[in-house]
Amino acid sequence: DAGVIQSPRHEVTEMGQEVTLRCKPISGHDYLFWYRQTMMRGLELLIYFNNNVPIDDSGMPEDRFSAKMPNASFSTLKIQPSEPRDSAVYFCASRSHHRGRNEAFFGQGTRLTVV
Amino acid sequence: AQSVTQLDSQVPVFEEAPVELRCNYSSSVSVYLFWYVQYPNQGLQLLLKYLSGSTLVKGINGFEAEFNKSQTSFHLRKPSVHISDTAEYFCAVTETGANNLFFGTGTRLTVIP
Repeated sequence: DAGVIQSPRHEVTEMGQEVTLRCKPISGHDYLFWYRQTMMRGLELLIYFNNNVPIDDSGMPEDRFSAKMPNASFSTLKIQPSEPRDSAVYFCASRSHHRGRNEAFFGQGTRLTVV
Repeated sequence: AQSVTQLDSQVPVFEEAPVELRCNYSSSVSVYLFWYVQYPNQGLQLLLKYLSGSTLVKGINGFEAEFNKSQTSFHLRKPSVHISDTAEYFCAVTETGANNLFFGTGTRLTVIP
């Protein structure tokens, strides 16, 4: 398996623009997580899905953030409008529910810079 | 509520010396514990995990960790580090039966030649 695939790897955008981050989880994994990593706050869980259904979005910072998972092989995290404080590395991770496989597998991340 | 504390934000150590990265957690129920490593500009990679059974867990790259329930700790150790071990290390916890993973703030290990 190719692992968790995120795109783009880097994104530079102007304040006010819409940004869409994409994630393809590992095939067969039924949990998908979006994390944000910053120097100040470390790794924060934004939202996670189980079987394509959002379970906990309490970590989503504002209404400007939204996430979808239209099918088992694709998820998006959208920021509209973007702000400079959204600059961070965004990670997607996936996990299987099977016993003994509790670890999450991470993508390479998308480094977002909002200027 | 569960939480993870990594007391050391930075740990410099000479090559071939031993190292211990500390991790303490808090939870009112039983937990699963993990250590991840992050190399520059990379995602997180699992080093090792504790789910149940033996409290001494061996992982990749010669790392091991010991689960101590009474001290609520899960410290990571390596008897002899290499330059290539320079990276950020994250401790993480999830409560058994829960689905989300909570991370510590990370420890930057720098191996000095």
